[in-house]
Amino acid sequence: ELKVEQNPLFLSMQEGKNYTIYCNYSTTSDRLYWYRQDPGKSLESLFVLLSNGAVKQEGRLMASLDTKARLSTLHITAAVHDLSATYFCAVDMDSNYQLIWGAGTKLIIKP
Amino acid sequence: ETGVTQSPTHLIKTRGQQVTLRCSSQSGHNTVSWYQQALGQGPQFIFQYYREEENGRGNFPPRFSGLQFPNYSSELNVNALELDDSALYLCASSFGGRSSGANVLTFGAGSRLTVL
Repeated sequence: ELKVEQNPLFLSMQEGKNYTIYCNYSTTSDRLYWYRQDPGKSLESLFVLLSNGAVKQEGRLMASLDTKARLSTLHITAAVHDLSATYFCAVDMDSNYQLIWGAGTKLIIKP
Repeated sequence: ETGVTQSPTHLIKTRGQQVTLRCSSQSGHNTVSWYQQALGQGPQFIFQYYREEENGRGNFPPRFSGLQFPNYSSELNVNALELDDSALYLCASSFGGRSSGANVLTFGAGSRLTVL
């Protein structure tokens, strides 16, 4: 059974700091997705990582995928308050149609 | 281009009742997936519909059922509601089903169900 674990589950940080969210998964997959969810709102796609070594960047966020280590990271550079949200990673099952999701990392960025 | 719309946004039911949730997919999308998101957790896959047929199912009992219509809109039906069914139900649309490559989903805002 595929399991996806994120850590930390909660992160409070100051504006201007850097930090990394980790996403580990338990079985082989080469498709990993990062989504953002604001309180009371839906999920917004951030990054799609489709191969080992894939790196995607958008603004202050950068995501990477290491399929051999079964690890993806979401790095935040010089955090700003607008990045406060819950971030989810999800892994695509090769033999099924579903995404398996981590529990989410609730990120609070203080001015 | 319209996004994914869901209705109702909030509803309250009692144990044993039945509920129907509705979803209109994004223009150009032909695949709809339903997810259950309990408070403080990640979404759990319920099932997916592609061209009006169930295309995959997660670990949910048969009292969770669905439909997809020719215009690609969809319904999620839950019979014999239990307290643990209280959650946010998310509909997501995409194009092409499983064989199209990256499974990038566009989510609706969700229907929050409370079972008393």
